[in-house]
Parts: sequence; structure tokens; C-alpha cells
Amino acid sequence: QKEVEQDPGPLSVPEGAIVSLNCTYSNSAFQYFMWYRQYSRKGPELLMYTYSSGNKEDGRFTAQVDKSSKYISLFIRDSQPSDSATYLCAMNSGGATNKLIFGTGTLLAVQP
Amino acid sequence: GAVVSQHPSRVICKSGTSVKIECRSLDFQATTMFWYRQFPKQSLMLMATSNEGSKATYEQGVEKDKFLINHASLTLSTLTVTSAHPEDSSFYICSARRLATDTQYFGPGTRLTVL
Repeated sequence: QKEVEQDPGPLSVPEGAIVSLNCTYSNSAFQYFMWYRQYSRKGPELLMYTYSSGNKEDGRFTAQVDKSSKYISLFIRDSQPSDSATYLCAMNSGGATNKLIFGTGTLLAVQP
Repeated sequence: GAVVSQHPSRVICKSGTSVKIECRSLDFQATTMFWYRQFPKQSLMLMATSNEGSKATYEQGVEKDKFLINHASLTLSTLTVTSAHPEDSSFYICSARRLATDTQYFGPGTRLTVL
């Protein structure tokens, strides 16, 4: 079993739709959770960062963490064609090594 | 957000040559930087953790003599692919750990093609 599971998609939605992206994890030591967006042939861009259960909102993006279920989500409201990219969840337990454990990424296509 | 640069963005070289890739954190100091490689349609694979002023820590299966890492300052880490072969062709991405927020910021990546 992988430490972090993420549906690779692809996920295709019409412009304006609400998008829900999810990851599950097995390691209860994970304390820090991130979502990155990666456009084709580019490096990942940090979108959201959170370390507690609950919701965190930033513009059209909402990150949700449920540590009891080991489940995290990223919601995108009013999706735009420019949101089309691969979304990677990542997490770690903090500490000296601070390695990020990534999901496989979900490819999102927002159709105009 | 924090800015991390990589140079070059794209390099094509002949088999047997060595290639150096630079990773710089432009607006923060990074005691720790990471090097990843990514194959098409796959997630990032951590190659090594680079610590300023000390030897890099390599992941299992990554040849330290082939992928030389130097982290000489708090804003610069370099990855040298020695005696490159076609199977080394890949997308190499660095990240820098921002201590204040304990988050990683990624560079734009370097596409290496070995002929």
C-alpha cells in the first residue's frame, strides 16, 4: 500500500464547475499537508499549505484536512480553463528530514 | 510567494559528457534543498536531499557518484550529472525548503536530453 493515494484522473469538468480533488494517506505521523499545481513541463507551484484539521480558504481554493479519516481535499470553485493542470497532494511529518511524500497527481481539464 | 530559479531550463548534450544544473533560492535562505526527477506523466521522484555545508543524502537506488550534489551556500545548490547517458534524459526539478514556514518551493525544472 502506498503511503499516499491519489486518483490520477483524468478529470474533465465544464468551466464554472466546482472541482473536488482528494488524497488519502496511511501514515498517522503526517502533520503538514500541501497542494501543488503543476502545468505541463513546469515545476510544481505551491497552492495551499495547512497543518491542522479543518478548512483553509484562499480565493477560489479551499483545502480540507480530516486527520481522523486520513483524508485531504482541495476544492476549486468557479473553475477556469487556466486551472487545467496536474494537482499533486503532498505531506510530511515535519522534523529534520522534511521529505515530502507526494500523491501521483490528478490531471484536471476544465473545458471552456 | 518564494521564488526558486533553475538554470539551464533545457539542455541537450552528447552521451558521456557531464551536465551541471543550478538551483537558486532568490528571496530566502534555504539550508535544505531537494532534487527530484520526473518522467512523463509520473509524479516526482526524490533523488537526494542537499544540506548546506554538508554531504547530500541520497535516496535508495540513486548513484551518488553519478549525480553529484553541492550545496555551497544558503541560496545555491548544484546537481552535476556525470558521464550522462540517454537513460538519464528526464525532467530534473529542485526545491528549496523555506524554514520560516517549513514549506518547499520548487524551481521551474530542467529538461535534460542526452543524445
